[in-house]
Amino acid sequence: AQSVTQPDIHITVSEGASLELRCNYSYGATPYLFWYVQSPGQGLQLLLKYFSGDTLVQGIKGFEAEFKRSQSSFNLRKPSVHWSDAAEYFCAVGHPNAGNMLTFGGGTRLMVKP
Amino acid sequence: NAGVTQTPKFQVLKTGQSMTLQCAQDMNHNSMYWYRQDPGMGLRLIYYSASEGTTDKGEVPNGYNVSRLNKREFSLRLESAAPSQTSVYFCASSSQVQETQYFGPGTRLLVL
Repeated sequence: AQSVTQPDIHITVSEGASLELRCNYSYGATPYLFWYVQSPGQGLQLLLKYFSGDTLVQGIKGFEAEFKRSQSSFNLRKPSVHWSDAAEYFCAVGHPNAGNMLTFGGGTRLMVKP
Repeated sequence: NAGVTQTPKFQVLKTGQSMTLQCAQDMNHNSMYWYRQDPGMGLRLIYYSASEGTTDKGEVPNGYNVSRLNKREFSLRLESAAPSQTSVYFCASSSQVQETQYFGPGTRLLVL
């Protein structure tokens, strides 16, 4: 069965510091991979996605993620965090052969210290 | 261009009551989805509709029914609400070509 694991439930970083959020997946075929961000009380906004090709993908708000097939990982990175990045981040695997349904990880809540 | 809209934004029900959550998209997407979000569990798929006229169960379909009314609208019905259905419900849509899902703002449901 497909699954997505985000090992870190909470992460706190200082403003200006670098950030890496971890995501590991279990999927039988080449996955579609996504990172979404959710601000408090809001819906989910797509940060970036990987379908194929270059394994380093760039997203909005200065985020990037790298697909590593050998490690079944799709970690999200940002070189310098801003206070407005405080939110909850979700990694997801897409299933193109099953109506493109998404399987989400449990989320990582990011707090930013001034 | 409103994207994905959901109504109501917030609802309180008593156990055993019924209600329908409405979702509409104006992006001409083929596929639509209903998820529920519970703390620490991410989002879990309840039902989806790959195209107009079709619906399929997701991970947690028990206690719910759906209707794909037309290409734009996809409703979720709770026939007899239970406290375990207290959650935040999100609707999403995607174009099969783009394979990216766009989410609505959510409906917060409290079942007493």
